[in-house]
Amino acid sequence: NAGVTQTPKFRILKIGQSMTLQCTQDMNHNYMYWYRQDPGMGLKLIYYSVGAGITDKGEVPNGYNVSRSTTEDFPLRLELAAPSQTSVYFCASRPGTGAAVAKNIQYFGAGTRLSVL
Amino acid sequence: GQQLNQSPQSMFIQEGEDVSMNCTSSSIFNTWLWYKQDPGEGPVLLIALYKAGELTSNGRLTAQFGITRKDSFLNISASIPSDVGIYFCAGQLMGGGADGLTFGKGTHLIIQP
Repeated sequence: NAGVTQTPKFRILKIGQSMTLQCTQDMNHNYMYWYRQDPGMGLKLIYYSVGAGITDKGEVPNGYNVSRSTTEDFPLRLELAAPSQTSVYFCASRPGTGAAVAKNIQYFGAGTRLSVL
Repeated sequence: GQQLNQSPQSMFIQEGEDVSMNCTSSSIFNTWLWYKQDPGEGPVLLIALYKAGELTSNGRLTAQFGITRKDSFLNISASIPSDVGIYFCAGQLMGGGADGLTFGKGTHLIIQP
Protein backbone atom coordinates (compact mmCIF):
# COMPACT_ATOMS: atom_id res chain seq x y z
CA ASN A 1 0.00 0.00 0.00
CA ALA A 2 2.50 2.65 -1.12
CA GLY A 3 -0.05 5.36 -2.01
CA VAL A 4 1.73 8.66 -2.75
CA THR A 5 5.51 8.52 -2.46
CA GLN A 6 7.72 11.60 -2.36
CA THR A 7 11.50 11.79 -2.60
CA PRO A 8 13.71 13.09 -1.16
CA LYS A 9 12.41 13.60 2.39
CA PHE A 10 14.90 16.36 3.14
CA ARG A 11 17.12 18.58 1.03
CA ILE A 12 19.31 21.62 1.54
CA LEU A 13 20.01 23.77 -1.50
CA LYS A 14 22.20 26.77 -2.09
CA ILE A 15 20.68 29.85 -3.66
CA GLY A 16 20.57 29.46 -7.43
CA GLN A 17 20.78 25.67 -7.47
CA SER A 18 18.14 23.59 -9.16
CA MET A 19 16.45 20.38 -8.13
CA THR A 20 13.49 18.13 -8.88
CA LEU A 21 11.10 16.91 -6.23
CA GLN A 22 9.77 13.52 -7.17
CA CYS A 23 6.22 12.31 -6.65
CA THR A 24 4.70 9.02 -7.73
CA GLN A 25 1.39 7.36 -6.95
CA ASP A 26 0.27 3.79 -7.50
CA MET A 27 -3.49 4.32 -7.18
CA ASN A 28 -4.09 5.13 -10.87
CA HIS A 29 -5.39 8.56 -9.92
CA ASN A 30 -5.84 11.05 -12.74
CA TYR A 31 -5.53 14.18 -10.64
CA MET A 32 -2.28 15.17 -8.96
CA TYR A 33 -1.30 18.26 -6.99
CA TRP A 34 1.69 20.04 -5.54
CA TYR A 35 1.27 22.17 -2.41
CA ARG A 36 3.67 24.07 -0.22
CA GLN A 37 3.23 24.49 3.52
CA ASP A 38 4.82 27.36 5.36
CA PRO A 39 4.89 27.63 9.18
CA GLY A 40 1.49 28.62 10.60
CA MET A 41 -0.09 28.56 7.19
CA GLY A 42 -2.31 26.13 5.38
CA LEU A 43 -1.42 24.38 2.19
CA LYS A 44 -1.12 26.52 -0.92
CA LEU A 45 -1.52 25.01 -4.37
CA ILE A 46 1.47 25.37 -6.68
CA TYR A 47 0.48 23.30 -9.73
CA TYR A 48 -1.97 20.57 -10.54
CA SER A 49 -2.63 18.07 -13.30
CA VAL A 50 -5.82 16.36 -14.44
CA GLY A 51 -4.01 13.72 -16.45
CA ALA A 52 -0.89 12.82 -18.37
CA GLY A 53 0.21 15.69 -20.57
CA ILE A 54 -2.03 18.27 -18.86
CA THR A 55 -0.87 20.69 -16.18
CA ASP A 56 -2.16 23.98 -14.83
CA LYS A 57 -1.07 26.69 -12.43
CA GLY A 58 -2.34 26.95 -8.91
CA GLU A 59 -2.22 29.85 -6.49
CA VAL A 60 1.59 30.17 -6.16
CA PRO A 61 3.30 28.82 -9.32
CA ASN A 62 6.13 31.34 -9.70
CA GLY A 63 9.58 29.79 -9.50
CA TYR A 64 8.34 26.25 -10.21
CA ASN A 65 7.71 24.02 -13.18
CA VAL A 66 5.98 20.68 -13.54
CA SER A 67 5.50 17.94 -16.10
CA ARG A 68 3.19 14.95 -16.29
CA SER A 69 4.42 12.41 -18.80
CA THR A 70 2.76 9.43 -17.08
CA THR A 71 -0.27 8.91 -14.87
CA GLU A 72 1.95 7.82 -12.00
CA ASP A 73 4.56 10.59 -11.86
CA PHE A 74 4.30 14.33 -11.28
CA PRO A 75 7.73 15.90 -10.62
CA LEU A 76 8.13 19.49 -9.42
CA ARG A 77 11.17 21.43 -10.62
CA LEU A 78 12.88 24.39 -8.99
CA GLU A 79 15.20 26.01 -11.52
CA LEU A 80 16.85 28.80 -9.48
CA ALA A 81 16.29 28.14 -5.81
CA ALA A 82 15.59 31.16 -3.62
CA PRO A 83 15.29 31.45 0.17
CA SER A 84 11.57 32.15 -0.26
CA GLN A 85 11.20 28.59 -1.50
CA THR A 86 12.22 27.18 1.86
CA SER A 87 9.14 25.19 2.77
CA VAL A 88 7.60 21.75 3.12
CA TYR A 89 6.27 20.44 -0.18
CA PHE A 90 3.40 17.98 -0.40
CA CYS A 91 2.23 16.00 -3.37
CA ALA A 92 -1.33 14.69 -3.43
CA SER A 93 -3.52 12.68 -5.76
CA ARG A 94 -7.21 12.15 -6.24
CA PRO A 95 -9.38 9.87 -8.40
CA GLY A 96 -10.48 11.56 -11.63
CA THR A 97 -13.00 9.02 -12.82
CA GLY A 98 -15.92 7.07 -11.43
CA ALA A 99 -18.02 7.63 -8.36
CA ALA A 100 -14.95 8.48 -6.28
CA VAL A 101 -14.52 11.77 -8.15
CA ALA A 102 -17.37 13.39 -6.28
CA LYS A 103 -15.79 12.57 -2.92
CA ASN A 104 -13.06 15.20 -3.56
CA ILE A 105 -10.70 13.32 -1.27
CA GLN A 106 -7.01 13.96 -1.84
CA TYR A 107 -4.35 11.56 -0.60
CA PHE A 108 -1.06 13.06 0.48
CA GLY A 109 2.56 11.98 0.50
CA ALA A 110 4.79 12.43 3.54
CA GLY A 111 6.37 15.62 2.22
CA THR A 112 9.77 16.97 1.20
CA ARG A 113 11.39 19.43 3.58
CA LEU A 114 13.47 21.90 1.60
CA SER A 115 15.81 24.57 2.92
CA VAL A 116 17.42 27.11 0.59
CA LEU A 117 20.43 28.83 2.13
CA GLY B 1 -7.82 32.90 -3.57
CA GLN B 2 -10.64 31.77 -1.35
CA GLN B 3 -10.00 31.65 2.36
CA LEU B 4 -11.12 29.40 5.15
CA ASN B 5 -10.94 30.93 8.60
CA GLN B 6 -9.96 28.19 11.01
CA SER B 7 -9.96 28.66 14.76
CA PRO B 8 -8.44 28.41 17.21
CA GLN B 9 -4.86 28.57 15.88
CA SER B 10 -3.61 26.47 18.78
CA MET B 11 -4.99 24.68 21.80
CA PHE B 12 -3.22 23.62 24.98
CA ILE B 13 -5.37 21.11 26.85
CA GLN B 14 -5.18 18.40 29.46
CA GLU B 15 -5.46 14.77 28.54
CA GLY B 16 -9.09 13.68 28.78
CA GLU B 17 -10.55 17.05 27.83
CA ASP B 18 -12.89 17.55 24.90
CA VAL B 19 -11.74 19.67 21.95
CA SER B 20 -13.68 21.78 19.49
CA MET B 21 -12.43 23.62 16.41
CA ASN B 22 -14.19 25.19 13.46
CA CYS B 23 -13.85 26.65 10.02
CA THR B 24 -15.88 29.41 8.41
CA SER B 25 -15.93 31.02 5.01
CA SER B 26 -17.82 33.60 3.02
CA SER B 27 -18.06 31.08 0.17
CA ILE B 28 -20.29 28.06 -0.25
CA PHE B 29 -18.66 24.63 -0.28
CA ASN B 30 -19.98 21.31 -1.54
CA THR B 31 -17.46 19.28 0.44
CA TRP B 32 -15.79 19.73 3.79
CA LEU B 33 -12.86 17.54 4.74
CA TRP B 34 -11.00 17.34 8.02
CA TYR B 35 -7.38 16.20 7.92
CA LYS B 36 -4.82 15.56 10.65
CA GLN B 37 -1.09 16.05 10.19
CA ASP B 38 1.32 14.33 12.54
CA PRO B 39 4.81 15.81 12.95
CA GLY B 40 6.94 15.04 9.91
CA GLU B 41 4.10 13.47 7.97
CA GLY B 42 1.54 14.45 5.38
CA PRO B 43 -2.13 15.18 6.11
CA VAL B 44 -4.36 12.16 6.61
CA LEU B 45 -8.12 12.28 6.12
CA LEU B 46 -10.25 12.02 9.27
CA ILE B 47 -13.78 12.83 8.16
CA ALA B 48 -15.49 13.83 4.90
CA LEU B 49 -18.79 15.74 4.76
CA TYR B 50 -20.95 16.22 1.67
CA LYS B 51 -24.45 17.36 2.69
CA ALA B 52 -25.57 20.50 4.48
CA GLY B 53 -26.36 19.63 8.07
CA GLU B 54 -24.57 16.28 7.86
CA LEU B 55 -23.17 15.04 11.16
CA THR B 56 -20.54 12.29 10.93
CA SER B 57 -18.52 10.46 13.56
CA ASN B 58 -15.26 8.55 13.39
CA GLY B 59 -14.55 7.06 16.80
CA ARG B 60 -14.03 9.94 19.23
CA LEU B 61 -14.23 12.48 16.41
CA THR B 62 -17.43 14.18 15.28
CA ALA B 63 -17.76 16.72 12.50
CA GLN B 64 -20.68 18.63 11.05
CA PHE B 65 -21.33 20.38 7.75
CA GLY B 66 -23.06 23.70 8.45
CA ILE B 67 -26.58 24.29 7.16
CA THR B 68 -25.44 27.34 5.17
CA ARG B 69 -22.60 25.31 3.60
CA LYS B 70 -20.17 27.99 4.77
CA ASP B 71 -18.86 26.38 7.94
CA SER B 72 -17.92 23.16 9.68
CA PHE B 73 -16.78 22.07 13.11
CA LEU B 74 -14.73 19.16 14.44
CA ASN B 75 -15.04 17.86 17.98
CA ILE B 76 -12.70 15.41 19.68
CA SER B 77 -13.93 13.80 22.87
CA ALA B 78 -11.76 12.58 25.75
CA SER B 79 -8.45 13.58 24.15
CA ILE B 80 -5.46 11.24 24.36
CA PRO B 81 -1.74 11.89 23.72
CA SER B 82 -1.86 10.56 20.16
CA ASP B 83 -4.37 13.29 19.25
CA VAL B 84 -1.46 15.76 19.22
CA GLY B 85 -0.93 17.26 15.78
CA ILE B 86 -2.24 19.85 13.39
CA TYR B 87 -5.85 19.62 12.24
CA PHE B 88 -6.82 21.15 8.92
CA CYS B 89 -10.19 21.83 7.43
CA ALA B 90 -10.38 21.79 3.65
CA GLY B 91 -13.21 22.59 1.31
CA GLN B 92 -14.16 22.11 -2.29
CA LEU B 93 -16.01 25.13 -3.60
CA MET B 94 -19.45 24.81 -5.17
CA GLY B 95 -18.83 24.66 -8.90
CA GLY B 96 -15.16 24.04 -8.29
CA GLY B 97 -13.30 21.68 -10.52
CA ALA B 98 -10.06 19.78 -10.36
CA ASP B 99 -8.01 22.67 -9.06
CA GLY B 100 -7.65 21.46 -5.55
CA LEU B 101 -8.99 22.09 -2.10
CA THR B 102 -8.95 25.32 -0.12
CA PHE B 103 -7.25 24.76 3.23
CA GLY B 104 -7.58 26.47 6.58
CA LYS B 105 -4.37 27.46 8.37
CA GLY B 106 -4.71 24.64 10.85
CA THR B 107 -5.35 24.16 14.56
CA HIS B 108 -2.30 23.00 16.48
CA LEU B 109 -3.39 20.68 19.30
CA ILE B 110 -1.04 20.21 22.23
CA ILE B 111 -1.94 17.88 25.07
CA GLN B 112 -0.38 18.14 28.50
CA PRO B 113 -0.34 14.88 30.44
